[in-house]
Amino acid sequence: DAGITQSPRHKVTETGTPVTLRCHQTENHRYMYWYRQDPGHGLRLIHYSYGVKDTDKGEVSDGYSVSRSKTEDFLLTLESATSSQTSVYFCAISDPGYTEAFFGQGTRLTVV
Amino acid sequence: AQKVTQAQTEISVVEKEDVTLDCVYETRDTTYYLFWYKQPPSGELVFLIRRNSFDEQNEISGRYSWNFQKSTSSFNFTITASQVVDSAVYFCAMKGAAGNKLTFGGGTRVLVKP
Repeated sequence: DAGITQSPRHKVTETGTPVTLRCHQTENHRYMYWYRQDPGHGLRLIHYSYGVKDTDKGEVSDGYSVSRSKTEDFLLTLESATSSQTSVYFCAISDPGYTEAFFGQGTRLTVV
Repeated sequence: AQKVTQAQTEISVVEKEDVTLDCVYETRDTTYYLFWYKQPPSGELVFLIRRNSFDEQNEISGRYSWNFQKSTSSFNFTITASQVVDSAVYFCAMKGAAGNKLTFGGGTRVLVKP
């Protein structure tokens, strides 16, 4: 199994509070991605990173920020959580080019 | 911009029937990569297959087969003689060679009844 760990695995938080999700890899892959999965929408890309301190927006980036200060860690932050951000969040890692992505186990976030 | 469309949201079949999942993609990249993933009820995402834009050979792996046609921008997936264990959500995805942005379709839920 690819060495990719998401933490926490489950979280319940209140509207308006900040939340940070962590993705940690031990594979030294260059690319890291954050997705959210919601019924009827599949997996939607939030942000991705192509190197330390190099990040770009995905299709649903509003309300989210990311940081990558080390190759192995990619953090997703909800500055002020809203109920619409209740979702399952997946982190993925890959190398560039003709390579598949490996996924973490997911984080179930509930904003009440 | 790139886009992946899986028009079928849910397919229900009886065990041993064949099932084909459609995937249509859009991209301006001349070099790109296509993937299929499976998400069983346990929730993890499992890689099934990858294809690059220069390789239109069909592929068969056991009961699974894939048909890639550049002319119609499609990368369809067929499960032959389906089994209950095939019940899952299946995702088609693509990655452009230029930006390596990995985009997924909306997924197709397959329910195989005994």
